[in-house]
Amino acid sequence: QQQVKQSPQSLIVQKGGISIINCAYENTAFDYFPWYQQFPGKGPALLIAIRPDVSEKKEGRFTISFNKSAKQFSLHIMDSQPGDSATYFCAARESTSYDKVIFGPGTSLSVIP
Amino acid sequence: NAGVTQTPKFRVLKTGQSMTLLCAQDMNHEYMYWYRQDPGMGLRLIHYSVGEGTTAKGEVPDGYNVSRLKKQNFLLGLESAAPSQTSVYFCASSPTGRVPDTQYFGPGTRLTVL
Repeated sequence: QQQVKQSPQSLIVQKGGISIINCAYENTAFDYFPWYQQFPGKGPALLIAIRPDVSEKKEGRFTISFNKSAKQFSLHIMDSQPGDSATYFCAARESTSYDKVIFGPGTSLSVIP
Repeated sequence: NAGVTQTPKFRVLKTGQSMTLLCAQDMNHEYMYWYRQDPGMGLRLIHYSVGEGTTAKGEVPDGYNVSRLKKQNFLLGLESAAPSQTSVYFCASSPTGRVPDTQYFGPGTRLTVL
């Protein structure tokens, strides 16, 4: 119930292509879904987040799509660049439960020139 | 403004040894967290604190203790290290625990227990 599933485990995309990472959850109490970006040797950093009352949120080249009925959400990176090469974590939390953010296992993205 | 810093960056311990990881933040955040990151498992919450002098258990607290004597510092202790505690440890802080507060992460401590 507390798990967040994430796929694929790793992804190789050519420069200029679209990177897509998918996540799924079971706990219907989750109501806030952040994505984190982590570069090698660094800590994760918040990239973009969404609440389930919207189906899509876009910030620059990064878009989250949310399907509440399917309990799935995904990150799309448009016009992927080598600088986007990093590990991406989706996460889920209950906004009333301040002590727990459940992270997915991560996706290692490599954008090749 | 250094954000969240962690000391040390790397450490190798022998089974049974003890150590303390230090986390410091200069953003006057109330909430602080300790996570461990293992391959294929994302980040898992070990302990957290909602303010100076308070601590609470997270998802995987066994084998760890924490203290928050000062608002800006959050210490993670391993009393008797085990190989299963080999991991990368991340500290994080946030202004409050409420959405949409962002958690700010430190650079991590890579710990190996032999």
